[in-house]
Amino acid sequence: AQSVAQPEDQVNVAEGNPLTVKCTYSVSGNPYLFWYVQYPNRGLQFLLKYITGDNLVKGSYGFEAEFNKSQTSFHLKKPSALVSDSALYFCAVRVNDYKLSFGAGTTVTVRA
Amino acid sequence: NAGVTQTPKFQVLKTGQSMTLQCAQDMNHEYMSWYRQDPGMGLRLIHYSVGAGITDQGEVPNGYNVSRSTTEDFPLRLLSAAPSQTSVYFCASSLGPNQPQHFGDGTRLSIL
Repeated sequence: AQSVAQPEDQVNVAEGNPLTVKCTYSVSGNPYLFWYVQYPNRGLQFLLKYITGDNLVKGSYGFEAEFNKSQTSFHLKKPSALVSDSALYFCAVRVNDYKLSFGAGTTVTVRA
Repeated sequence: NAGVTQTPKFQVLKTGQSMTLQCAQDMNHEYMSWYRQDPGMGLRLIHYSVGAGITDQGEVPNGYNVSRSTTEDFPLRLLSAAPSQTSVYFCASSLGPNQPQHFGDGTRLSIL
């Protein structure tokens, strides 16, 4: 079954430091992977996706993600975190044409 | 441009009551989905639709019904509310598979 795992419930970083949110996947065939962000009392917002092509994918708000086939990972990164990046982040994988499977989420806290 | 609109934002029900959560989108998206979000479990798919008149079950469909009479609207019905259905419900829409999903801001539902 297609699935993703987010091994960290929480990530804490200082403003200005690099931010990494980890995601590993388990799929048969080529993975279609997504990252979403959720701010308090809001719905999820799309950040970026990997379908095929370059292993480094650039997305919204300065985020990027690195697809690593050998390690079955799709980690989300930002070179310099902002306090406003504090939110809940979800990794997701396409299961079929109609369904995404989401990870449990990682809470990111960026301290000033 | 409203995007995906969900009503109500909050609701408290008694066990056994029924209600309908409304979802409307103005982007002419064919794909629409309902998810529930529970702490530590990510988002789980309840029902989805690939166009007007076409619906199907997701991971956790029991206790919920949907219909899709128009492209714009995708209501979710709780037939007989149970405390286990206390959750945050999100509606999402997209142009199709592999396309980003656009989420509403959610309905926070408590069943007493």
